[in-house]
Amino acid sequence: DSGVTQTPKHLITATGQRVTLRCSPRSGDLSVYWYQQSLDQGLQFLIHYYNGEERAKGNILERFSAQQFPDLHSELNLSSLELGDSALYFCASSRTSGGAYEQFFGPGTRLTVL
Amino acid sequence: GDSVTQMEGPVTLSEEAFLTINCTYTATGYPSLFWYVQYPGEGLQLLLKATKADDKGSNKGFEATYRKETTSFHLEKGSVQVSDSAVYFCALVQGGGFKTIFGAGTRLFVKA
Repeated sequence: DSGVTQTPKHLITATGQRVTLRCSPRSGDLSVYWYQQSLDQGLQFLIHYYNGEERAKGNILERFSAQQFPDLHSELNLSSLELGDSALYFCASSRTSGGAYEQFFGPGTRLTVL
Repeated sequence: GDSVTQMEGPVTLSEEAFLTINCTYTATGYPSLFWYVQYPGEGLQLLLKATKADDKGSNKGFEATYRKETTSFHLEKGSVQVSDSAVYFCALVQGGGFKTIFGAGTRLFVKA
């Protein structure tokens, strides 16, 4: 158990819908990272927050957005969903931001878009 | 841009065999290099890391040496076990950077 929690574990929805994925980092960790893992694209970095502020953006679509709240939990919002958005979405946390700090990964949310 | 290239899998070995999973990278500057492991149904876990050239990371019998001259960070283990069956990801982070770039992953099967 990494100490990072993600909810829900599974999510099944239809094209065009909007969903919210939630992540709670390990106690004391200020950084949160979101990743998308799919069979064809592999593991892709989406976005990184540190203590409530966005620090880096990766391959995140404009239909996707995220935020980190004052209690440090984070939410990833996916809207106008398409079939190709079906993937595993991982959240990771680390003590601070950047560099060689170890990231601790949650168990992931499996999103299926029908 | 920065990238990580891993050998394609799956790799199938018998128990106690020697393991090598190749990883090469392209990056400007001096990135930190990582190996993460993903067991079935779980998130990734850090296996080992190296932050500068010639550093050797090691953990649970796995080793990898940061080779700047060949831009490589190959993962090795002298004697694999069935419990090592998993997907292994090589990754890099630029010095002071915030983005982790992952390789495509290499699936390892170890037969008893």
